[in-house]
Amino acid sequence: DQQVKQNSPSLSVQEGRISILNCDYTNSMFDYFLWYKKYPAEGPTFLISISSIKDKNEDGRFTVFLNKSAKHLSLHIVPSQPGDSAVYFCAATLDFGNEKLTFGTGTRLTIIP
Amino acid sequence: NAGVMQNPRHLVRRRGQEARLRCSPMKGHSHVYWYRQLPEEGLKFMVYLQKENIIDESGMPKERFSAEFPKEGPSILRIQQVVRGDSAAYFCASSPNILAGGLNEQFFGPGTRLTVL
Repeated sequence: DQQVKQNSPSLSVQEGRISILNCDYTNSMFDYFLWYKKYPAEGPTFLISISSIKDKNEDGRFTVFLNKSAKHLSLHIVPSQPGDSAVYFCAATLDFGNEKLTFGTGTRLTIIP
Repeated sequence: NAGVMQNPRHLVRRRGQEARLRCSPMKGHSHVYWYRQLPEEGLKFMVYLQKENIIDESGMPKERFSAEFPKEGPSILRIQQVVRGDSAAYFCASSPNILAGGLNEQFFGPGTRLTVL
């Protein structure tokens, strides 16, 4: 039962353009959503998060949008840079006290110079 | 401040042997989590521990798997009588004590890649 889904296994974007990574979830009880970035042979690195009470959170080149009614969130990276090439995982958690993260299957982003 | 450390980075075992994976959390962190990533899949939660306590082990297989986080020393994930299906990357994460009103961000180690022959 995949509660967090990333339906695009891969995405290629030209350097300087916007990268949009999508994530859907099925559990309406999820309270917090996070994006992690992962390079080969390394652990995931936290990128940005959003609470279910918000619909947008921005941090530099990274913006996460949350559409609760559609159970959908997206990560926007603009402008995309070659160093952004990595696998991006969407994750969700039920509440502050519940530390269990539920991850999507990941999207491999390739930035084309 | 050193990050989360895991060792070994690579571990090869034959079927039926035991695998021991170690995780040293970041300094000052008292919460440890273990996740498993099978090929072409996302990370799956296994267990959440605080010092000397298992808080949530809902993701742990019922048999052969155990985890501990002693008062002193690293957290250990132990897999007894390994089978080929245990081959995966095992990631450990740590976080500090929960701050009121804040999300308890998890910092991940580089993982241990277990191969069962």
